[in-house]
Amino acid sequence: GAGVSQSPSNKVTEKGKDVELRCDPISGHTALYWYRQSLGQGLEFLIYFQGNSAPDKSGLPSDRFSAERTGGSVSTLTIQRTQQEDSAVYLCASSLSSSGIIHEQYFGPGTRLTVT
Amino acid sequence: KQEVTQIPAALSVPEGENLVLNCSFTDSAIYNLQWFRQDPGKGLTSLLLIQSSQREQTSGRLNASLDKSSGRSTLYIAASQPGDSATYLCAVNYGSSNTGKLIFGQGTTLQVKP
Repeated sequence: GAGVSQSPSNKVTEKGKDVELRCDPISGHTALYWYRQSLGQGLEFLIYFQGNSAPDKSGLPSDRFSAERTGGSVSTLTIQRTQQEDSAVYLCASSLSSSGIIHEQYFGPGTRLTVT
Repeated sequence: KQEVTQIPAALSVPEGENLVLNCSFTDSAIYNLQWFRQDPGKGLTSLLLIQSSQREQTSGRLNASLDKSSGRSTLYIAASQPGDSATYLCAVNYGSSNTGKLIFGQGTTLQVKP
């Protein structure tokens, strides 16, 4: 079946502009995650959605970052007033969740964001 | 601070050799641990997931072990092949109840020479 998809695959933007990154999780997966992978920082957790529960936003680096998940499926990560340090690969993952058990996370190919 | 450490950062071996990648974590109260593979410019591919109650998981030539008391996990790759060349990432889901988020190590970059 189809895996996690992300769009765009690459995004170049000017400093100060807003960007939106999209994630389509695997059908039926109720848990969705955003991570960021940058040189020198490795892979960092950003935000986690689980069903209708309030998202875990503890990894968002600043209030310029926000994310939403509509209809329990597609998610959008928005970065406002982008800065050069936001340049990274943004990875989305999804997993099943049943009876409070989270299963393995499946990752999308990522969106490479470059802020000039 | 909950951290994950992987040693070595890079490893080069001849084809056919058995090898072990190491992962250590700072808090034994984990929910699960997952090993991933990442090829250059690509996303992550899940290899093995070990729940807190498990000691090991096997998939083909891969075997992952978990020792919570010592805060360690190993990924054993048998009869390595050039196609195994990639970066291997260990990720820990900390906490007694599932919080969802994974804490990643910096990875071990493996090169298997033909």
